[in-house]
Amino acid sequence: KQEVTQIPAALSVPEGENLVLNCSFTDSAIYNLQWFRQDPGKGLTSLLLIQSSQREQTSGRLNASLDKSSGRSTLYIAASQPGDSATYLCAVSTNAGKSTFGDGTTLTVKP
Amino acid sequence: EAGVAQSPRYKIIEKRQSVAFWCNPISGHATLYWYQQILGQGPKLLIQFQNNGVVDDSQLPKDRFSAERLKGVDSTLKIQPAKLEDSAVYLCASSPTLAEQYFGPGTRLTVT
Repeated sequence: KQEVTQIPAALSVPEGENLVLNCSFTDSAIYNLQWFRQDPGKGLTSLLLIQSSQREQTSGRLNASLDKSSGRSTLYIAASQPGDSATYLCAVSTNAGKSTFGDGTTLTVKP
Repeated sequence: EAGVAQSPRYKIIEKRQSVAFWCNPISGHATLYWYQQILGQGPKLLIQFQNNGVVDDSQLPKDRFSAERLKGVDSTLKIQPAKLEDSAVYLCASSPTLAEQYFGPGTRLTVT
């Protein structure tokens, strides 16, 4: 059974810092990995999707990497802003499209 | 492009009552998911449809939960009878096959 762990559960940083969020998974037989952002009381917004054959994806100040063999992914946020404050979730999917989510990291960026 | 639509946004019911949620996915998306998200946790998959067929419902409590996808488009999720522990946000997502998932705003259910 796939298990996804995100550490830390919460993170607080001053504005402008670069930061890394971690995601680990127990079964390396994944099809893709997706990072999401969730604001309080809202649904999930997709940030980045990495296929199992890829090593990283970039969008603006966000960069996600994937090391399938070690069961790890990181989400790097450059020059953090207060508007980046949210919960960040990662999810791994099988080739049947079944997804397993971590419990997320709640990020607070202080002005 | 319109996103995933869900209704209602909020629902309060008493235990042992029944409730239904509705989801309209993005047009053309073959795969539809229902997730349960308890406060402080990540979403847990309840059921996955491919067109109008069920791909995975291994975590759906079938004694009280049911779901259907009409003509491979809209879907409804029903709980009957509800328990206190069913209080959660119910999220619907859709995707083209084996691709990026797009989520709706969710329905927040409170069972008293």
